[in-house]
Amino acid sequence: ETGVTQTPRHLVMGMTNKKSLKCEQHLGHNAMYWYKQSAKKPLELMFVYNFKEQTENNSVPSRFSPECPNSSHLFLHLHTLQPEDSALYLCASSQDSADTQYFGPGTRLTVL
Amino acid sequence: AQSVTQLDSQVPVFEEAPVELRCNYSSSVSVYLFWYVQYPNQGLQLLLKYLSGSTLVKGINGFEAEFNKSQTSFHLRKPSVHISDTAEYFCAVSGYNFNKFYFGSGTKLNVKP
Repeated sequence: ETGVTQTPRHLVMGMTNKKSLKCEQHLGHNAMYWYKQSAKKPLELMFVYNFKEQTENNSVPSRFSPECPNSSHLFLHLHTLQPEDSALYLCASSQDSADTQYFGPGTRLTVL
Repeated sequence: AQSVTQLDSQVPVFEEAPVELRCNYSSSVSVYLFWYVQYPNQGLQLLLKYLSGSTLVKGINGFEAEFNKSQTSFHLRKPSVHISDTAEYFCAVSGYNFNKFYFGSGTKLNVKP
């Protein structure tokens, strides 16, 4: 499945580093999402973009900064993260915000 | 607010046995219902979805689910599981009235030989 790609697949960073996660969808969708999946916790929706406009921010700390330059690309900029931010970060896209979501493989982030 | 409940966090089952993973949702309006599967170290993959029409929905890998409006349920079933079905399964609900996806907490299916 190459409809939604995410890079990198694995990332290890220190608490003072700045890094970015990238998501790209090749499905012609208009909505894109960032989710956080931690061990033993439900899937957490972080951000929603619809037609490049942010429509949802679920009380995410400011050390996570999303960017959606166009309908095909979504970034998550990370800075001064904490060890509890270690998780699998999943990107998804859909035709519109109530339609079937298609997920990327995720980026496994470890914060030391 | 809408919600999705997956009562079983883990379901152990022997290979070739039938399995049912339960999902209940709360909504007073029309909904779309989904089941996703997540294999280790991978993203979520759509198994099947109910949008309208027949309440029995068939998906990939031999799975099916039945929409029961009166019981607000969308249980996932497979008559005979394989070792390769070991994964985590997520139920989700959305709808044109509330413009958002809600995921359940997931059920880990562990198929034993």
